[in-house]
Amino acid sequence: AQSVAQPEDQVNVAEGNPLTVKCTYSVSGNPYLFWYVQYPNRGLQFLLKYITGDNLVKGSYGFEAEFNKSQTSFHLKKPSALVSDSALYFCAVRGNPGGSARQLTFGSGTQLTVLP
Amino acid sequence: DTAVSQTPKYLVTQMGNDKSIKCEQNLGHDTMYWYKQDSKKFLKIMFSYNNKELIINETVPNRFSPKSPDKAHLNLHINSLELGDSAVYFCASSPSTGLNEQYFGPGTRLTVT
Repeated sequence: AQSVAQPEDQVNVAEGNPLTVKCTYSVSGNPYLFWYVQYPNRGLQFLLKYITGDNLVKGSYGFEAEFNKSQTSFHLKKPSALVSDSALYFCAVRGNPGGSARQLTFGSGTQLTVLP
Repeated sequence: DTAVSQTPKYLVTQMGNDKSIKCEQNLGHDTMYWYKQDSKKFLKIMFSYNNKELIINETVPNRFSPKSPDKAHLNLHINSLELGDSAVYFCASSPSTGLNEQYFGPGTRLTVT
């Protein structure tokens, strides 16, 4: 079974500082990894995904994520945090797309707070 | 234009009642999903339909029954509501081919009293 771990429930960072939100995964075969963001009382919004290729993936709003196969990690990063980045972030993984299940497994979420 | 819409946004009802949540997407996707987000924000898939065919049915009580009248709609009917059903329910959609991201609706907050 596939799984995702987000070891930090809460991450606080000062505005202008770099931020990292951690994610590790477990899946059979090649991993397909996603980051989503959820603002209060809203649905999830897609940020970026890793399918294959370059280990550094760039996404929306200046976010990027680094895929590390040996460490089974896919950490979300941003060089300079904004107060408006404060939200709940979810990492998600799915396995072989050829199967009948197109199931995304989500992590437990990390609340990011950017302090002015 | 709203890509994935859900109605109602809020739903307050008593135990034992039957209720439905509707979802519509105008993205032309042929795969749709229902997720449940509990009070701790944990997100878990409940159902997935592809071209009106059920392809994912997680361990969900039989009181929950999805219905897909066409590719653009996936409704969720819940019978005999229980306190533990209180949660936010999200609908999502994606293209069925490739490794595409899912697009989520705004959610329906269900409160069972």
